[in-house]
Amino acid sequence: NAGVTQTPKFRILKIGQSMTLQCTQDMNHNYMYWYRQDPGMGLKLIYYSVGAGITDKGEVPNGYNVSRSTTEDFPLRLELAAPSQTSVYFCASRRQGLNTEAFFGQGTRLTVV
Amino acid sequence: GIQVEQSPPDLILQEGANSTLRCNFSDSVNNLQWFHQNPWGQLINLFYIPSGTKQNGRLSATTVATERYSLLYISSSQTTDSGVYFCAVVQDNAGKSTFGDGTTLTVKP
Repeated sequence: NAGVTQTPKFRILKIGQSMTLQCTQDMNHNYMYWYRQDPGMGLKLIYYSVGAGITDKGEVPNGYNVSRSTTEDFPLRLELAAPSQTSVYFCASRRQGLNTEAFFGQGTRLTVV
Repeated sequence: GIQVEQSPPDLILQEGANSTLRCNFSDSVNNLQWFHQNPWGQLINLFYIPSGTKQNGRLSATTVATERYSLLYISSSQTTDSGVYFCAVVQDNAGKSTFGDGTTLTVKP
């Protein structure tokens, strides 16, 4: 069981470039999430999805887009990268329900220069 | 939204010492998790503990939901325990987690 897999692990982007961070899970979880972690801080929610075809904004969605065409995949798109998007990005998933445990991917470290 | 406060922000221990990390939250929650972020940045699930007490080896956790706090106990600390410990709570049906800012633990040999 691979769990939650993120690619790439590291990436350097130039200002104005775009990229997609990939996230896939093999646990058949309905709920998936994207968080970012800035230095010395906890994680903040960017976007989330409660099922295929359903996405919604979290606390810090500006500059990002998501899609959820399948249960397994939840890619995060950065358009027109800015230095403020330099961060570590984590994808997570959990089963549907109030009392369920979240599982996190290994993170993608993104630097925008 | 809900506020999650962790204390202390930083903790330095000698190997073998015990420690208690605290997580306070400002509203009722559906569940709570403790994570360890190792020096390589990976988030490791330690406990899923919406209420009660759980133990796993040298680590244990207690959540008193009615009083809105959780405690993480580390006994006989080892250098490999170093890293950042996060508490994350969930309030809503969509399972969105709100994280505290973490406690940075350094265990010296």
